[in-house]
Amino acid sequence: GESVGLHLPTLSVQEGDNSIINCAYSNSASDYFIWYKQESGKGPQFIIDIRSNMDKRQGQRVTVLLNKTVKHLSLQIAATQPGDSAVYFCAEVQGGKLIFGQGTELSVKP
Amino acid sequence: DAGVTQSPTHLIKTRGQQVTLRCSPKSGHDTVSWYQQALGQGPQFIFQYYEEEERQRGNFPDRFSGHQYPNYSSELNVNALLLGDSALYLCASSPTSIYGYTFGSGTRLTVV
Repeated sequence: GESVGLHLPTLSVQEGDNSIINCAYSNSASDYFIWYKQESGKGPQFIIDIRSNMDKRQGQRVTVLLNKTVKHLSLQIAATQPGDSAVYFCAEVQGGKLIFGQGTELSVKP
Repeated sequence: DAGVTQSPTHLIKTRGQQVTLRCSPKSGHDTVSWYQQALGQGPQFIFQYYEEEERQRGNFPDRFSGHQYPNYSSELNVNALLLGDSALYLCASSPTSIYGYTFGSGTRLTVV
């Protein structure tokens, strides 16, 4: 079936380093993707989104890259901080519903 | 401006019982979706409500049902609870025809 998956279940980085979280998707017809951050005991929080007619989108300390050729998304976090520690999900929008991957847990070491 | 509000925050039920979870959407949002998130997994789409009707549904049995009220608030009902229904249930609201999903903090359901 259609799915969105993540390459790495866990990622540990040093404070101040850049983080890269990857995601593969299988539905080439999807035209909208969202990255979410989920802290323990909370619901997913919107980070950044990108439409399929774009290759790159930047926010505050975050950048999302979309490679439609290989159906791959990545989230880059610059100067990672302890407050960035959380589980990160990519989600694919299909007909108004979100298809989530399993998630990557980001751990930031001080 | 309040975001999405869900109640209760935690709930413990016995197998075979029924449960109702509640969601108040963000102001200005009229579409409500429900997701189930098992421990260590990504959220799974249950169904979506718009104009008091179920607009689309994920791969969940009929034991899962819902309702949307004229004020856009919504309920998720689960009958004949199974141990496997233990999960975090998330409500997300969005405005019509715009991709702007806001999630609540969820209801943690434990079935014993």
